[in-house]
Amino acid sequence: EDQVTQSPEALRLQEGESSSLNCSYTVSGLRGLFWYRQDPGKGPEFLFTLYSAGEEKEKERLKATLTKKESFLHITAPKPEDSATYLCAVLDEGGSYIPTFGRGTSLIVHP
Amino acid sequence: DAGVTQSPTHLIKTRGQHVTLRCSPISGHKSVSWYQQVLGQGPQFIFQYYEKEERGRGNFPDRFSARQFPNYSSELNVNALLLGDSALYLCASSSDSNQPQHFGDGTRLSIL
Repeated sequence: EDQVTQSPEALRLQEGESSSLNCSYTVSGLRGLFWYRQDPGKGPEFLFTLYSAGEEKEKERLKATLTKKESFLHITAPKPEDSATYLCAVLDEGGSYIPTFGRGTSLIVHP
Repeated sequence: DAGVTQSPTHLIKTRGQHVTLRCSPISGHKSVSWYQQVLGQGPQFIFQYYEKEERGRGNFPDRFSARQFPNYSSELNVNALLLGDSALYLCASSSDSNQPQHFGDGTRLSIL
């Protein structure tokens, strides 16, 4: 059974304090890994897609990386507006077209 | 371009009633998925439709049903509502199976 585990569950940072969020996964084969940002009361907002180990994607202060067993979302010099829940989802190549979501990491950045 | 739109945004029902939630995908997207999200958890998969055919069904009771129309919009129906059905119901669309899903802002369903 596919599993997606995100850590930590919650993270508090000071503005400017860089850190990383982790998404570890167990699948028979990876078709794709997706990162989303979700603000309270809103739907998840798509950030990145990663398809193969070694791939990296960047957007402003966020950088996503992928290995064969996990993905990291690096946040460089975060600002209070980066506060949100970050979700990871994995698409298995085993025939299903349904991504499995992790429970998310709740990030709070204090000014 | 318009994103995924869902209606209504909020809904209050009582136990035993039924509800219909609606979703319009991004133009050109043929796949629509429905998810249930409760506080503190990731979205839980309910249904996926592609080209009007059901492609997948999650571990939800038969009280939950859905369909996709020729214009690719979709409805999620829930019968005999229970208190535990209170959640944020999300709709997502994608252009094909390997592409990321794009979400609407959901319908907040409260059961009294």
